Order: sequence, then C-alpha cells, then structure tokens
Amino acid sequence: AQTVTQSQPEMSVQEAETVTLSCTYDTSESDYYLFWYKQPPSRQMILVIRQEAYKQQNATENRFSVNFQKAAKSFSLKISDSQLGDAAMYFCAYRVTGNTPLVFGKGTRLSVIA
Amino acid sequence: EPEVTQTPSHQVTQMGQEVILRCVPISNHLYFYWYRQILGQKVEFLVSFYNNEISEKSEIFDDQFSVERPDGSNFTLKIRSTKLEDSAMYFCASSGGRGNTIYFGEGSWLTVV
Repeated sequence: AQTVTQSQPEMSVQEAETVTLSCTYDTSESDYYLFWYKQPPSRQMILVIRQEAYKQQNATENRFSVNFQKAAKSFSLKISDSQLGDAAMYFCAYRVTGNTPLVFGKGTRLSVIA
Repeated sequence: EPEVTQTPSHQVTQMGQEVILRCVPISNHLYFYWYRQILGQKVEFLVSFYNNEISEKSEIFDDQFSVERPDGSNFTLKIRSTKLEDSAMYFCASSGGRGNTIYFGEGSWLTVV
C-alpha cells in the first residue's frame, strides 16, 4: 500500500526566511504524481504545487519549489521569502496515474514569526 | 477561476439523523470525490465517482454512506444515520481527467450531537 510520511509535525520560520518541509513516500509504481496542499485556518484545501514523477525537473511556483528525489522517494517543499499568509497546515499527497484517490500525509503545521 | 462549491458550510445534526452534503464540481470535470478530515487528523479518502457510478471506495464508506449525481451539476453525499464519530470536515473534490490535479471545495463541517 502506498504511504506518505511527513516527519515534521510542526515547523516555524521567520518572516522573509526560507523553510523546507519534508515528505517521503512509499510506492512500487513508476508513474505517479505528487502534490503539496495548503490548509489555512479556514480549512480549505488549496493546491500549492504539483510534480509529475516522469519529470526530472523540479516544479516551481513563485516562492514555492520542490526537491524531488525519485530514487530516494523524497518530495520536499521549499518556501522562500516566507510571508505571514503562509502560516497553515501543509499536506503532502501522492496519486498514481488514472482515477485513483489521493493519499495524504499527516501534515506539517507551519508557523511564520513576524 | 472555476472552483468546487459545497453546501452547507456547517451543519449540526442529531445522532441518528440523515444528512445530505451537496457539492457542485468544476463544470468540465469528470471525476468526483469525497474526502473527510476528522479534527486534528489527516485527510481520508471516502469515495470516487465517474460515469455515474462509484469507481472506488474506502473501508470508511460503509452502507450508511451513499453518493449520487442527481443532475448534471450536483454531487451529493448522504449519511443515512449519523453517529458521533461522523463529526468531521467533508471535502468534495473533482478532477478533469485521469491523473489530473484534484481540486477541493471549501468543505462542509458536520457536527453530530
């Protein structure tokens, strides 16, 4: 069974600094997708970034980037120039190709200190 | 930007009552999902729906749960006889195709008392 592990229950970062959230996953599949979702206090699930496993290039979305290490099954999220609005729960998620459900990690709560 | 919409945003119900949670997926999407998140826990998959039938369901999705797409736009989750442990945030989600990104609604917070 596929599993997603986020080993950091909580993280904090100073405003304008950079923080990296860790995620590892376990799968026997070779073709899949990885996602980071943000859940602010409003509890809405907001897509932050997505990575296709067949792509070697790391995905980037403005201040958000990933470090995707396929062999190590690692998918970390880097947030640069952290802002107060980045404070939220961040979930790493995995999905095999096809109409398969997302598998979520337990989340990392990020605090941003002014 | 198109979005998934859910109603109600919050519902309080008596144990044993039936609840229907409603969702309007993104209009050109073909795959629909329900997830739930018990307070403080991770997001769990309940069911996926494609071509007017359930394509996959988790062990959580037992006989007290059902889903329906009664018309061309709505997608509903019915909980037949609610239990205290059904208290959770229920997320509807949709995607446009196989392997595509899944987009979530804002959630319906269900409290069973």
